[in-house]
Amino acid sequence: NAGVMQNPRHLVRRRGQEARLRCSPMKGHSHVYWYRQLPEEGLKFMVYLQKENIIDESGMPKERFSAEFPKEGPSILRIQQVVRGDSAAYFCASSPTGRITEAFFGQGTRLTVV
Amino acid sequence: DQQVKQNSPSLSVQEGRISILNCDYTNSMFDYFLWYKKYPAEGPTFLISISSIKDKNEDGRFTVFLNKSAKHLSLHIVPSQPGDSAVYFCAASDAGGTSYGKLTFGQGTILTVHP
Repeated sequence: NAGVMQNPRHLVRRRGQEARLRCSPMKGHSHVYWYRQLPEEGLKFMVYLQKENIIDESGMPKERFSAEFPKEGPSILRIQQVVRGDSAAYFCASSPTGRITEAFFGQGTRLTVV
Repeated sequence: DQQVKQNSPSLSVQEGRISILNCDYTNSMFDYFLWYKKYPAEGPTFLISISSIKDKNEDGRFTVFLNKSAKHLSLHIVPSQPGDSAVYFCAASDAGGTSYGKLTFGQGTILTVHP
């Protein structure tokens, strides 16, 4: 049973470009969380999704950021018109029940905006 | 506003001795606390948790203590092993451990265990 897969592991974007981060949950997991870790800080909650539904997006910046978890395929975190301040490690976690104590984290995507 | 704080950025311990990692929180609504371990280039791995109705939870070499009145929790690792060297994050939830809960993380403490 493969773990939570995130790709790409490293992503470099120029200011103004779009970044797409993918998260394939573990088999049987229909709940996904996205977190962001800025340099020298802890992880910060961004969004919680179930299949085809956004349950809680209270941690998402209001502009440029969006997330989806379609019926088929991975969850996508999309950042439009990236700025230098978006440079961070983005982690997703998946859970079979939604309980965070049963969630497993992926290895993360390190986004660098140049 | 940092609601979960780990005031020690790093801790160095000799193999076989006790490691004590500390965490303070400010939000009285937090009712469930977790510790995660993270190696470089990997995602966090859940280690141990504690509900606010308890003051201690033990799992092998790992014990978490919760002092609600002081809004303080600590993770004890006994005996410490070189493989324990990692970043340790404290996290808190206000939705309990049995329902979904977004987590608020501390900044992390780098633990180094010397052979």
